[in-house]
Amino acid sequence: NAGVTQTPKFQVLKTGQSMTLQCAQDMNHNSMYWYRQDPGMGLRLIYYSASEGTTDKGEVPNGYNVSRLNKREFSLRLESAAPSQTSVYFCASSVGQGAYEQYFGPGTRLTVT
Amino acid sequence: TQLLEQSPQFLSIQEGENLTVYCNSSSVFSSLQWYRQEPGEGPVLLVTVVTGGEVKKLKRLTFQFGDARKDSSLHITAAQPGDTGLYLCAGARSWGKLQFGAGTQVVVTP
Repeated sequence: NAGVTQTPKFQVLKTGQSMTLQCAQDMNHNSMYWYRQDPGMGLRLIYYSASEGTTDKGEVPNGYNVSRLNKREFSLRLESAAPSQTSVYFCASSVGQGAYEQYFGPGTRLTVT
Repeated sequence: TQLLEQSPQFLSIQEGENLTVYCNSSSVFSSLQWYRQEPGEGPVLLVTVVTGGEVKKLKRLTFQFGDARKDSSLHITAAQPGDTGLYLCAGARSWGKLQFGAGTQVVVTP
């Protein structure tokens, strides 16, 4: 089992460009999450999906959109990248609702110039 | 606003020394998790504490959840270089959403 996979691992964008970060899990988990990690800020929740077919905003959703494509895949889209979106992005999954263990992917390091 | 405050932000110690990392909040959490993150990787769960006053041990790591479920500590005995990493606490309140602290960077030198 690969666990949680993310692509790409690194990306450089110019201001105004768009891109989609891909995430897939092979653990048959119901819930999936997108976080960003910035120095001194910890992990902040962008969007989450409690189950296939549902998505909801987290703490910092502005400038992002998500799609829960199926049970395995959860993508994060930046429509018009801004320098403030320079960060490391992590996808995570868990069995379901509640304080279950979250399994994280290796992250995508995004730089917006 | 950081609802979970971790201290210290950075800790550098010699192999064999003990260390304690703190996680504090003014809010009550239904449970609290501790993760360790190594460079270039995602966080990995170490432990979940649920009951106020609970103490859990994982080899040389001891985790404690405060009686009021607002704070937690992680104590490492006889630290080893392999303990080096970013330690993150995360509190759960409403469904499935975790509130993460900013983390404590621990460096253990041989």
